[in-house]
Amino acid sequence: ETGVTQTPRHLVMGMTNKKSLKCEQHLGHNAMYWYKQSAKKPLELMFVYSLEERVENNSVPSRFSPECPNSSHLFLHLHTLQPEDSALYLCASSPGRHWVSGELFFGEGSRLTVL
Amino acid sequence: QQPVQSPQAVILREGEDAVINCSSSKALYSVHWYRQKHGEAPVFLMILLKGGEQKGHDKISASFNEKKQQSSLYLTASQLSYSGTYFCGTIIDSNYQLIWGAGTKLIIKP
Repeated sequence: ETGVTQTPRHLVMGMTNKKSLKCEQHLGHNAMYWYKQSAKKPLELMFVYSLEERVENNSVPSRFSPECPNSSHLFLHLHTLQPEDSALYLCASSPGRHWVSGELFFGEGSRLTVL
Repeated sequence: QQPVQSPQAVILREGEDAVINCSSSKALYSVHWYRQKHGEAPVFLMILLKGGEQKGHDKISASFNEKKQQSSLYLTASQLSYSGTYFCGTIIDSNYQLIWGAGTKLIIKP
């Protein structure tokens, strides 16, 4: 198993659909992150969970709803999305919640297209 | 607060050297470098901390100029495997989050 696994890799949904993105890490890390990556734009931090508690929420619209049932799994629930939400959604994990001390381990991402 | 990366893109022949810069308008606590190949996950390269030493492994190294609030990534004798988009992330204080640059696309041709 690779370190951080994301499913599905590709998702196409209509604006009225409800879907979920899943992330699983096999590294024993305590912190997990959701990032949005759009073409030619910087990575945008969406949510951070540390020991299953949400510690960051970067003014993300409520149509994105994160869930962290345990330290190994992270979900991003999606509903009534807009076309501008089409992007690559990256999950990452780190040993601790502090960016300074360590590296982020990223998954390969879920490519979301909203029609 | 977003760091500015330059150049936005660069095309090199295999064996040539490249320098990628990451500049901030604020004093930096640390600079983080990642590489992302097309369709793959971003991969960590190195972290440079304020007051720390220049880092490097193999033919990729980086420096951190605290006075200029700038970091530079050096790729020496580039290989085809170095192709990808390089991102820098900066932290201005130990309690702040990582803020990313827009990336520098590096294309290495044989």
